[in-house]
Amino acid sequence: GQQVQQSPASLVLQEGENAELQCNFSTSLNSMQWFYQRPEGSLVSLFYNPSGTKQSGRLTSTTVIKERRSSLHISSSQITDSGTYLCAMERAGGYKVVFGSGTRLLVSP
Amino acid sequence: NAGVIQTPRHKVTGKGQEATLWCEPISGHSAVFWYRQTIVQGLEFLTYFRNQAPIDDSGMPKERFSAQMPNQSHSTLKIQSTQPQDSAVYLCASSRTDGTLYFGSGTRLTVL
Repeated sequence: GQQVQQSPASLVLQEGENAELQCNFSTSLNSMQWFYQRPEGSLVSLFYNPSGTKQSGRLTSTTVIKERRSSLHISSSQITDSGTYLCAMERAGGYKVVFGSGTRLLVSP
Repeated sequence: NAGVIQTPRHKVTGKGQEATLWCEPISGHSAVFWYRQTIVQGLEFLTYFRNQAPIDDSGMPKERFSAQMPNQSHSTLKIQSTQPQDSAVYLCASSRTDGTLYFGSGTRLTVL
């Protein structure tokens, strides 16, 4: 079964709106990461967040390991935020990093 | 720091031919991962090396796919007798001990 479930699968926002992306994990995990995939395909690490809350500019990541979930909050969205957001987990007991299917975000003017 | 370097950027092979993909990890990174991305399957884990040793190849198709890391500066993914269903973007990533993954730009493989 799928170990990493992301929601929503897609999201359309108007510029300036906020977004909350979710990741849920079906197994115990050591850590998790959030990535942004640009429309042309390149992947950029946003957060390595084993637990707790981290903020970088308009982005905030919160991971609750015990509850096997993580969220990514985007405030005051901009057109350039459009792309795919992926979460990934490192499973407990191993180093394999498994990805969710992503959230496709489109921010329109 | 040039980041993770993958070559070639694009590769087109005929059905049945061999394809070798190259990855140069970031200097000093101890782990190298290979992934495959398609629209249907998303990002699939293939294999993982730590300090050049193969740790987990559970995502590798057992036939035709093999990966090597002969030294700390490069890894290769070889696909023998390529099939159309092997068409995908193959991504390599490296990480330090803290686990943050840094991805290369990928190799887009097209099997005709």
